[in-house]
Amino acid sequence: QKQLVESGGGLVKPGGSLRLSCAASGFTFSDYYMTWIRQAPGKGLEWVSFITNSGAYTQYADSVKGRFTISRDNARNSLSLQMNSLRVEDTAVYYCARRDWTGDVFDVWGQGTMVIVSS
Amino acid sequence: SSDLTQDPAVSVALGQTVRITCQGDSLRSYYATWYQQKPGQAPVVVIYHENNRPSGIPDRFSGSRSGNTASLTITGTQAEDEADYYCNSRDISGDHLFGGGTKLTVL
Repeated sequence: QKQLVESGGGLVKPGGSLRLSCAASGFTFSDYYMTWIRQAPGKGLEWVSFITNSGAYTQYADSVKGRFTISRDNARNSLSLQMNSLRVEDTAVYYCARRDWTGDVFDVWGQGTMVIVSS
Repeated sequence: SSDLTQDPAVSVALGQTVRITCQGDSLRSYYATWYQQKPGQAPVVVIYHENNRPSGIPDRFSGSRSGNTASLTITGTQAEDEADYYCNSRDISGDHLFGGGTKLTVL
């Protein structure tokens, strides 16, 4: 069964850092692009970042560019998101999701991990 | 514009048909994907590539596109269809866009 499990969320002060992880199982992780998508409380979905299957290329939403870094370890079937210079507006549930081979669909999602940025 | 626009809320009587729309320039060039999200749960794909259903999604869900507007139609809406629905597409820069979401209430 294809599964993604996020971890690492928590409470952090503005300006602080946090590292999220996503453990993948049930599929060949190294075959797929992976993404992070977030959802602020009571708000809609926002795409954050993606990384190619090899890890050679990454892309970020303007709202996080220069502050967040996506990475992966294909040997460990693991995806990460390093979040620096956190802002109150980064408060959200962060989902990792698999992007299908067409590039158009996020077909497997984790359950999400909550990040709260507050003083 | 790189935005996708959805009506914030739509209601439908049980058993009736409802259409949820999503408008944006990117839809002229890229496929729309529709996600259903129930409270406290991760989103689930209900329609991809405009009018394809993943296995396990009931055939009362269908999709279409005309110009810069994609639509999700639920025919014979059931109580369990009450949820938030998000459209999504890529844009020319390679980013992914989400609509603001439509809250569907089944009366």
